[in-house]
Amino acid sequence: GEDVEQSLFLSVREGDSSVINCTYTDSSSTYLYWYKQEPGAGLQLLTYIFSNMDMKQDQRLTVLLNKKDKHLSLRIADTQTGDSAIYFCAESGGYQKVTFGTGTKLQVIP
Amino acid sequence: EAGVVQSPRYKIIEKKQPVAFWCNPISGHNTLYWYRQNLGQGPELLIRYENEEAVDDSQLPKDRFSAERLKGVDSTLKIQPAELGDSAVYLCASSPRRSPDGSEQYFGPGTRLTVT
Repeated sequence: GEDVEQSLFLSVREGDSSVINCTYTDSSSTYLYWYKQEPGAGLQLLTYIFSNMDMKQDQRLTVLLNKKDKHLSLRIADTQTGDSAIYFCAESGGYQKVTFGTGTKLQVIP
Repeated sequence: EAGVVQSPRYKIIEKKQPVAFWCNPISGHNTLYWYRQNLGQGPELLIRYENEEAVDDSQLPKDRFSAERLKGVDSTLKIQPAELGDSAVYLCASSPRRSPDGSEQYFGPGTRLTVT
């Protein structure tokens, strides 16, 4: 079945850029997503990218997609303490079925 | 606009007891999902509804889990009897019909279940 992998933890200093990486296995993925989960809350969709794109920018967020290597990354510019959360990569191969990664916990050090 | 509402937020039960979770999706959202999120993991789909029809329940452990969405609006997920391994956060999400390929999923805060 589909598999989505992420590193478990990332620590950055406030004001630096954060880069969270993700790899997936489903070559038929059509949409790839980044969700944010704060403690005690559900997941919040941050951004998504269609598989025929290689980059998408939305304010402080930049998503890069390398479809050949099945690699997705999320860059957060000027990381703030409010960005501390768990970030989930997810992919959808169709039929509205979404597979989530295990999440990367981002710690922002003031 | 109100978000996805779930209740209860927390539930502690003894093993072999039944438990039920309730979800009210965002008004007008036709698609409703139930996910289970184990500690340190991403959400795993249990069941997906299109209106009142369960269109994907392949990951739902049907021997003890059941779900319903009778009028195509709110939904209930039940576990009977609960086992220790069912301890997790149960998330409900919904998405609008216009959503391409399910990209816009709006999640509720979840119900944290502890089975002792």
